[in-house]
Amino acid sequence: KAGVTQTPRYLIKTRGQQVTLSCSPISGHRSVSWYQQTPGQGLQFLFEYFSETQRNKGNFPGRFSGRQFSNSRSEMNVSTLELGDSALYLCASSPRPGGTETQYFGPGTRLLVL
Amino acid sequence: QKEVEQNSGPLSVPEGAIASLNCTYSDRGSQSFFWYRQYSGKSPELIMFIYSNGDKEDGRFTAQLNKASQYVSLLIRDSQPSDSATYLCAVNPPNTGNQFYFGTGTSLTVIP
Repeated sequence: KAGVTQTPRYLIKTRGQQVTLSCSPISGHRSVSWYQQTPGQGLQFLFEYFSETQRNKGNFPGRFSGRQFSNSRSEMNVSTLELGDSALYLCASSPRPGGTETQYFGPGTRLLVL
Repeated sequence: QKEVEQNSGPLSVPEGAIASLNCTYSDRGSQSFFWYRQYSGKSPELIMFIYSNGDKEDGRFTAQLNKASQYVSLLIRDSQPSDSATYLCAVNPPNTGNQFYFGTGTSLTVIP
């Protein structure tokens, strides 16, 4: 079974631009969560989607948004990029929400904001 | 107070030794606990999960959970140089769906 895929793998943007990242979960998995990883803050939860609905959202500004499609694929968008948005963005998939489900991470998208 | 705390290390052990990694969490109602391994430049890879008090063994890895003391640990027996990585503890507090809180990770180096 194929794992979680994320595109693009690397991205360079300038301040003020916007970016869209894509995630395809493991086949059959319907819950997708997004995390931001930085050296200073570690792994921080952004949001979780299930059945095309956002179920949880972390403590990030409204510039960070996401959505999920009917095939469970998910996208996240960051508008008006800031230097501090440079990070590894990780998508994690699980069969369903519920708190006891293991999450499997994709390879991540490394975003550099100049 | 951080949700999940780990010693950042670095932790160095000789090859063949037991590496012990510890994690404490703040939400007493948490039910699900996970250990991930992350190699430099890579994404986290699940090693083990544990839900019940006590020990859970999988090959060279043993996860230990003590809910009364709010700590979870990971033991790696017969450590190998390939175990050198950062180990992340993750906790899923109640009523948060699949929102995981991660510790900052413990860097482990296994010396040949």
